[in-house]
Amino acid sequence: GQQLNQSPQSMFIQEGEDVSMNCTSSSIFNTWLWYKQDPGEGPVLLIALYKAGELTSNGRLTAQFGITRKDSFLNISASIPSDVGIYFCAVNNAGNMLTFGGGTRLMVKP
Amino acid sequence: EPEVTQTPSHQVTQMGQEVILRCVPISNHLYFYWYRQILGQKVEFLVSFYNNEISEKSEIFDDQFSVERPDGSNFTLKIRSTKLEDSAMYFCASSSPMPSYEQYFGPGTRLTVT
Repeated sequence: GQQLNQSPQSMFIQEGEDVSMNCTSSSIFNTWLWYKQDPGEGPVLLIALYKAGELTSNGRLTAQFGITRKDSFLNISASIPSDVGIYFCAVNNAGNMLTFGGGTRLMVKP
Repeated sequence: EPEVTQTPSHQVTQMGQEVILRCVPISNHLYFYWYRQILGQKVEFLVSFYNNEISEKSEIFDDQFSVERPDGSNFTLKIRSTKLEDSAMYFCASSSPMPSYEQYFGPGTRLTVT
């Protein structure tokens, strides 16, 4: 099946720093999504991307859909303690099924 | 803000027993999904449901699994004879028809099979 490779697997940063993570695939996809999961909770949709090259923001979060349609990145500016969690990229595959990446675990030191 | 709800939050069952996990999707959504997440691993698709029938399922969703929308609000996942390897978080999600891939997830049910 499709593999989404997320990097880094984990990051430990200082509060106030900017964060960047990405997701790559060997296949082309038409939709990229970014979710955040807090411990013991379900994934929460952050940003959805529909067009190659598209850059979309949601508050301090910015995500881009790569021109090749094989990658996407997520940036978080001026991180705060509540940004802690696992960030997953996901792609819409055939039909409505979502395929998720392995996640980037973000830890923020106050 | 409308949200997907799931019950119970935690279910412990013995191997071989049947379990039913319940979900109430967002009220105006028409597509419903189940995903699972084994501890420490990524979220995996199980099944999607639309217009009272399964529209897609993964190879994980074998004959031990079934889904049902018994009334206008609930959406259930039944595991007929649980195995140890069914232990995981099970997430229900729902989406509106357009765009159907913006899926909203519930808080999950932690299933522990002993």
